[in-house]
Amino acid sequence: DVKVTQSSRYLVKRTGEKVFLECVQDMDHENMFWYRQDPGLGLRLIYFSYDVKMKEKGDIPEGYSVSREKKERFSLILESASTNQTSMYLCASSFSTLAGGYEQYFGPGTRLTVT
Amino acid sequence: TQLLEQSPQFLSIQEGENLTVYCNSSSVFSSLQWYRQEPGEGPVLLVTVVTGGEVKKLKRLTFQFGDARKDSSLHITAAQPGDTGLYLCAGEPGGYQKVTFGTGTKLQVIP
Repeated sequence: DVKVTQSSRYLVKRTGEKVFLECVQDMDHENMFWYRQDPGLGLRLIYFSYDVKMKEKGDIPEGYSVSREKKERFSLILESASTNQTSMYLCASSFSTLAGGYEQYFGPGTRLTVT
Repeated sequence: TQLLEQSPQFLSIQEGENLTVYCNSSSVFSSLQWYRQEPGEGPVLLVTVVTGGEVKKLKRLTFQFGDARKDSSLHITAAQPGDTGLYLCAGEPGGYQKVTFGTGTKLQVIP
């Protein structure tokens, strides 16, 4: 069964703290993604990775960095958390299907609150 | 940036009614996915469509990809309370897998 896990379901951090969000997939997918989801703004792509040690900026990378040292693990780092980074963070992985479509599998999400 | 507009944004219906959700863009997509998301959880993939005009059925859910691969629809027959959730479409333009997500349709099915 396809599985994407995220290190925490709920997290509360203080302004200025360094925050690590971990994501692990067990499907041997090449591609991994980090999104944030906010009411009224939908899903927005922060960073993605097509391969180990490779990363690409998404639509809203400011204030975030990522690390992918192993194929199965993709970490999102908030260098200095701010209150406007309070959000639901979703990790996903994907592969390409024989039919030509790309299907993303999501983790359960991490609800981060920065106070 | 490619945009995917979904309509309606909100839908509240009685159990047993039929409904259709639309996903529209001015851009062409190589494939399009539909997801359902329940509160506090991540989106779950329902279907992928890749061919213009393609129709796929998943029990009471029927998905169609437009002939020009710019739009898609999701039709639910005899809605059940278990269908309640946020429905998201996502278009993949080809090449790099940078998917664009739609604005979402929040469905509530009242018993």
